[in-house]
Amino acid sequence: DIVMTQSPDSLAVSLGERATINCKSSQSVLYNSNNKNYLAWYQQRPGQPPKLLISWASTRESGVPDRFSGSGSGTDFTLTISSLQAEDVAVYYCQQYYDSPCSFGQGTKLEIK
Amino acid sequence: QLQLQESGPGLVKPSETMSLTCTASGGSIIIDNYYWGWIRQPPGRGLEWIGSIHYSGSTYYNPSLKSRVTISVDASKNQFSVTMKSVTVADTAMYFCARAHTVPYRYFDYWGQGALVTVSS
Repeated sequence: DIVMTQSPDSLAVSLGERATINCKSSQSVLYNSNNKNYLAWYQQRPGQPPKLLISWASTRESGVPDRFSGSGSGTDFTLTISSLQAEDVAVYYCQQYYDSPCSFGQGTKLEIK
Repeated sequence: QLQLQESGPGLVKPSETMSLTCTASGGSIIIDNYYWGWIRQPPGRGLEWIGSIHYSGSTYYNPSLKSRVTISVDASKNQFSVTMKSVTVADTAMYFCARAHTVPYRYFDYWGQGALVTVSS
């Protein structure tokens, strides 16, 4: 099984500042035949289900603010929030769907400093 | 707008069988390009994919749970269900139903609000 490891476990950032969350997979999730990374990012606010933010490592879902961006390839990925807003307080998860079973990172808790 | 809603008993005794149903509204589950999945989240912990089903009945399970889990579908009611036998306290979790794109374990773009299942005597 592919193991997803996120860093840091928690993060405190000031409003308006940049937040960066990292995700590393135990093996590459880049499918060479189509050059796509099989990696998604989710946001889970307290008491809510996860919300899909980004698929294919960098494709934002419709309605997701453009301050959220995803990058990386192979085994190393990053979710960046360019200017933190109060409503961004949440736990963020990465997920690989390159292979079954799909697997999630342990989560990164993002708070306001 | 598709909505998913989980339902079922919130308290189950150890060694018994747990069952939850997900009802879809605002859209049909009879679509070739989607699978319908179950994901769980123990209190304060991360997410674990349980398995997924296609409206045709094809099922896919996480090997770690496969021996105890059955996922079924009733397309006429726009519902799909999960059954887990021989539960233990370790199965206490929020259980979410969700929609997966094209492949049973792909990213999940619609989620239910979740149903908390507590395993306790």
